[in-house]
Amino acid sequence: GAVVSQHPSRVICKSGTSVKIECRSLDFQATTMFWYRQFPKKSLMLMATSNEGSKATYEQGVEKDKFLINHASLTLSTLTVTSAHPEDSSFYICSASGDGYGYTFGSGTRLTVV
Amino acid sequence: AQSVTQLGSHVSVSEGALVLLRCNYSSSVPPYLFWYVQYPNQGLQLLLKYTTGATLVKGINGFEAEFKKSETSFHLTKPSAHMSDAAEYFCAVSETGRRALTFGSGTRLQVQP
Repeated sequence: GAVVSQHPSRVICKSGTSVKIECRSLDFQATTMFWYRQFPKKSLMLMATSNEGSKATYEQGVEKDKFLINHASLTLSTLTVTSAHPEDSSFYICSASGDGYGYTFGSGTRLTVV
Repeated sequence: AQSVTQLGSHVSVSEGALVLLRCNYSSSVPPYLFWYVQYPNQGLQLLLKYTTGATLVKGINGFEAEFKKSETSFHLTKPSAHMSDAAEYFCAVSETGRRALTFGSGTRLQVQP
């Protein structure tokens, strides 16, 4: 079946630093990647949608300069949280979609900014 | 625009009892509907999905859901709850099967021994 690998699973960083989260589709070509943010005991909020080779489309209220998304290949998308602050602490989940493969989710990244 | 409403943020059942998690959706076009399960600090695992065809959909771990267009519902059921079913369950909708999913607020299922 379709597998999406997301790394790291947990990361702790200091306020003001940047953190990169990777999302790889291991056995299919992900033409579209979705990035979600999940607050504690809350649902998933879509942050942005990226298509391979194109600029990401951000949802209203999401700062594109803070949350940089790159989707340079059909198997890799990255989310970089720049100049992270404690309010950016959250659970981030990617989802990959390719022809015939529906939506496959990564295992998530717990970001803690101290 | 599409939306999902999950009635009941918490559902508690006894082991062996029927599980019923409710989901109603709103969509301007025929929807693609999904149920996912999430265990603590993990990603989402697909339980089942409806795209077209048979309205009763069977998924993994004994779960099934029925698409009822007239009621705009896609409730999730399981005849007999198991302790390992305790988790967070999300209903989601996509209008095309290619655009991002819109999730409901989730239902936490507790299974009492």
